[in-house]
Amino acid sequence: AQTVTQSQPEMSVQEAETVTLSCTYDTSESDYYLFWYKQPPSRQMILVIRQEAYKQQNATENRFSVNFQKAAKSFSLKISDSQLGDAAMYFCASSTQGGSEKLVFGKGTKLTVNP
Amino acid sequence: DTGVSQDPRHKITKRGQNVTFRCDPISEHNRLYWYRQTLGQGPEFLTYFQNEAQLEKSRLLSDRFSAERPKGSFSTLEIQRTEQGDSAMYLCASSSRDNQPQHFGDGTRLSIL
Repeated sequence: AQTVTQSQPEMSVQEAETVTLSCTYDTSESDYYLFWYKQPPSRQMILVIRQEAYKQQNATENRFSVNFQKAAKSFSLKISDSQLGDAAMYFCASSTQGGSEKLVFGKGTKLTVNP
Repeated sequence: DTGVSQDPRHKITKRGQNVTFRCDPISEHNRLYWYRQTLGQGPEFLTYFQNEAQLEKSRLLSDRFSAERPKGSFSTLEIQRTEQGDSAMYLCASSSRDNQPQHFGDGTRLSIL
């Protein structure tokens, strides 16, 4: 079974600064994916970034990047040049390659961006 | 690509009533998922369809819950004899095929009086 743990219920950052959200996971599978999803208040869940476990290179998407430490089972999200629109709940998730590829989510981290 | 659509957005009902939610996935997405999200928690997987076949169900999906996807397009999730603990946001997601990310709808928020 997969588990995902987010140990930071809330984080805050000043506009234009950098913030890192933490995530650890556990899985017995060799082929899996890791994700960060963003859920703004009363709005839909949006994929921020995805990492294939077999890729050693950390994924990046514009201001968003991850630090994937496979041996440590750690998958943190770094947001650079934070913007007011980044304020949201951020969920870390994993899925196993093949089969249903259902997502297993952490409890989330609420990010506040201060002007 | 109009996105995943869910209806209704909000449903308020009395305990013991039956409710049905609908999800329209992105067209031509053959994979469809239902998740449940309670306050302060991440979404939890309920069930998965590939085309019209329901291939996986969570233990969270009690006998009071049933899901269908009769023609491999839209899906319905029905809860019979609702209970207080059923109050949650019910999320639908779809994806096109293996290894593709899931796209989520806005969800249906269920409140049980």
